[in-house]
Amino acid sequence: DAGITQSPRYKITETGRQVTLMCHQTWSHSYMFWYRQDLGHGLRLIYYSAAADITDKGEVPDGYVVSRSKTENFPLTLESATRSQTSVYFCASQTGWEYEQYFGPGTRLTVT
Amino acid sequence: KNEVEQSPQNLTAQEGEFITINCSYSVGISALHWLQQHPGGGIVSLFMLSSGKKKHGRLIATINIQEKHSSLHITASHPRDSAVYICAVKSGNQFYFGTGTSLTVIP
Repeated sequence: DAGITQSPRYKITETGRQVTLMCHQTWSHSYMFWYRQDLGHGLRLIYYSAAADITDKGEVPDGYVVSRSKTENFPLTLESATRSQTSVYFCASQTGWEYEQYFGPGTRLTVT
Repeated sequence: KNEVEQSPQNLTAQEGEFITINCSYSVGISALHWLQQHPGGGIVSLFMLSSGKKKHGRLIATINIQEKHSSLHITASHPRDSAVYICAVKSGNQFYFGTGTSLTVIP
């Protein structure tokens, strides 16, 4: 399917477990982003990537790890999940800095 | 600290009304985005602005760089416009988002 997809769409995990959220885009966009959305905070940038093998921290990177070995994929890993990481996670892609972003459908993660 | 502030937080309008949502920001920016988040959660980009004004259908977005302010206008509002509208700014290599304006348009 063309576009940007996220998997899984829903995930429940326990505190301390490692979780990986997947993001895949078919447009070959250079830029990809991970955001989390929490009530009262709005969207916050976790990490972004300007190209394969180039990643950088956003506003709230602690507790998260990213990689980008291929242009189309940008997985987000919670190495040891905590309850404070319960959130809705959105992936987005963008062809260049000054262009619009395209968002994935989101992953709702609950850490118990 | 909130780099981006939106007003109002909640807005209810009658179908057909002209709607304005405001966004003020405190950082230097290179671009400002308006996003729409549907009740189901999906997010769609409406506009990307770096200056002036853009129009798409019944939606108009303006930005005043000197005053650090942007507005999103909806003309002839319709119930299908009911959504959360989010302002986001690009500052350096960071993106900052407002907490959104929840719009409900009543038939």
